Amino acid sequence: DTGVSQDPRHKITKRGQNVTFRCDPISEHNRLYWYRQTLGQGPEFLTYFQNEAQLEKSRLLSDRFSAERPKGSFSTLEIQRTEQGDSAMYLCASSLSLDAYEQYFGPGTRLTVT
Amino acid sequence: AQKVTQAQTEISVVEKEDVTLDCVYETRDTTYYLFWYKQPPSGELVFLIRRNSFDEQNEISGRYSWNFQKSTSSFNFTITASQVVDSAVYFCALSGTNYGGATNKLIFGTGTLLAVQP
Repeated sequence: DTGVSQDPRHKITKRGQNVTFRCDPISEHNRLYWYRQTLGQGPEFLTYFQNEAQLEKSRLLSDRFSAERPKGSFSTLEIQRTEQGDSAMYLCASSLSLDAYEQYFGPGTRLTVT
Repeated sequence: AQKVTQAQTEISVVEKEDVTLDCVYETRDTTYYLFWYKQPPSGELVFLIRRNSFDEQNEISGRYSWNFQKSTSSFNFTITASQVVDSAVYFCALSGTNYGGATNKLIFGTGTLLAVQP
């Protein structure tokens, strides 16, 4: 399978706990994006990387959220001190930065904060 | 500010009917890209089409066709002879250009749930 992969697919955590999600992009894609989708809404942009550089962060990304892409390959998204409002589907996407513009999405990680 | 509006929340049709999903966008960019994605019940977003702001030609791909009109800031999607497998949420999205012309973030509409009844 050469698509975008995400791990875990589902995560249930108690309020106040920290969680970390992983995204593996399509291998030749140097751009990687994180989005969040709540029920009945379209995905909302959180942040994106070009290689290992984090180029843009949404104001949705509070101080409790941090994303990394240390070697320009996989990325992690960490949420500290989770709140019930963090319950959502977290989507990762990747794209080439030149000559192709469409983003390809992974299956998402569904987070439930109890 | 960039915005995408999909006014149709839900559409229900009977198989073999044609259906059009509406998308209206707002942007101040002169160069921008428009997209349609499909999200079936399994949840994974599937890329359908990309259009840049300089290309207003309509496009047809099998039973799918897209009508891009800059004058009305619309990018509508038509499915001809719908099938049950077309049942999904369809999202329209917009992106500007940055850093060498490639897209950065996508701004999505709220989606249209299409239910095709057998």
